[in-house]
Amino acid sequence: QVQLVQSGAEVMKPGSSVKVSCKASGGTFSRYAITWVRLTPGQGFEWLGGIIPMFGLTNYPVKFHGRVTITADESTGTAYMELNSLKSEDTAVYYCARVPPDYGDTGYFDYWGQGTLVTVSS
Amino acid sequence: EIVLTQSPGTLSLSPGERATLSCRASQRVNSNYLAWYQQKPGQAPRLLIYGASSRATGIPDRFSASGSGTDFTLTISRLEPEDFAVYYCQQYGSTISFGGGTKVEIK
Repeated sequence: QVQLVQSGAEVMKPGSSVKVSCKASGGTFSRYAITWVRLTPGQGFEWLGGIIPMFGLTNYPVKFHGRVTITADESTGTAYMELNSLKSEDTAVYYCARVPPDYGDTGYFDYWGQGTLVTVSS
Repeated sequence: EIVLTQSPGTLSLSPGERATLSCRASQRVNSNYLAWYQQKPGQAPRLLIYGASSRATGIPDRFSASGSGTDFTLTISRLEPEDFAVYYCQQYGSTISFGGGTKVEIK
């Protein structure tokens, strides 16, 4: 049974950075892309980018390029998403999700983490 | 970026009724790479449908989906109490984007 377990809620100051982790179990971590999305009341779901751990390849949408860094540690089966220069509009629930093989890093998401609430407030 | 528009925003129905949800894309979705998810409060989304019409593992057959090009539909044939939730479509044919969601609520 594949499980993705994310780190806990964070409260951050504007201008700071946040790093959220996503630990995978029950599958072959390196083979599958891990992607990150967020859900905000105003913008709905937004894709933040993804990584294929086996190759270390990352892919980011234009909107978040330069603000988001996604990494993966194959030894622990953990992926990370770091978002910098935080603004109040970045307050959201952040999810990691797994992409099935054959879709690279942009596919549908068959398993999801439980979500991490990040609140940006002064 | 492909913009997905879901309608209606809210669907008020009774258990046992049929629900029909729409997802319209601003451009053709390559290879009909469209998925549907169900999300309940405080939970992560759950994959229902991929490839426009293929049910994910463990999804009951009262959920069905169809469509191609720019127009896609999710149908729930007979609503069960656990089906009242928010439903999102997502395209993955050209980067990734999501629709704004349709809330299916109890009438």
